[in-house]
Amino acid sequence: DAGVTQSPTHLIKTRGQQVTLRCSPKSGHDTVSWYQQALGQGPQFIFQYYEEEERQRGNFPDRFSGHQFPNYSSELNVNALLLGDSALYLCASSLSGSGTEAFFGQGTRLTVV
Amino acid sequence: AQSVAQPEDQVNVAEGNPLTVKCTYSVSGNPYLFWYVQYPNRGLQFLLKYITGDNLVKGSYGFEAEFNKSQTSFHLKKPSALVSDSALYFCAVRDGGYSTLTFGKGTMLLVSP
Repeated sequence: DAGVTQSPTHLIKTRGQQVTLRCSPKSGHDTVSWYQQALGQGPQFIFQYYEEEERQRGNFPDRFSGHQFPNYSSELNVNALLLGDSALYLCASSLSGSGTEAFFGQGTRLTVV
Repeated sequence: AQSVAQPEDQVNVAEGNPLTVKCTYSVSGNPYLFWYVQYPNRGLQFLLKYITGDNLVKGSYGFEAEFNKSQTSFHLKKPSALVSDSALYFCAVRDGGYSTLTFGKGTMLLVSP
């Protein structure tokens, strides 16, 4: 079992550009959540996808959007990048309706210059 | 709204000594509580969880945590610290519905030889 995999691992973008991050959940998991972890902070919830729909959303602007595919993999898109979007973006997968823990990927380090 | 507080930015302990990393929480219903560990430039690794049952929860790598409902605390403990335990530790709470986690800001644990 490969666990949660994210790509790419590192990314450098220019202000105003758009970026897409990808996540494959752990085998058997149907729910994907995205978190933003700024330097020196705890992860902040962006949104969660289940059955290809956004089920819950944190306090992030509409520039942040996502998608979940039939195979449960997911994408995070950020438009009009700002310097403040520089962070580690973490994907977590879980099984809906269970009390089990979420499993995290290694993250994508996004740097906006 | 749910929240987590980790009052210590850093905890220093000598190898072989017991360690405690503190966490308090606020949630409207029954809490689902978690501890995760993060090594440099890596994602989050699950340590242990409390859902229901015994107040003392045992997890990975010799860690345990004590759930105290009256004090709304979930402190992480280990009887004998190792240098390799040095890392960033996050406490998180989940609401009883969807698997969205709210994290504390993290506590850096430094174990000296």
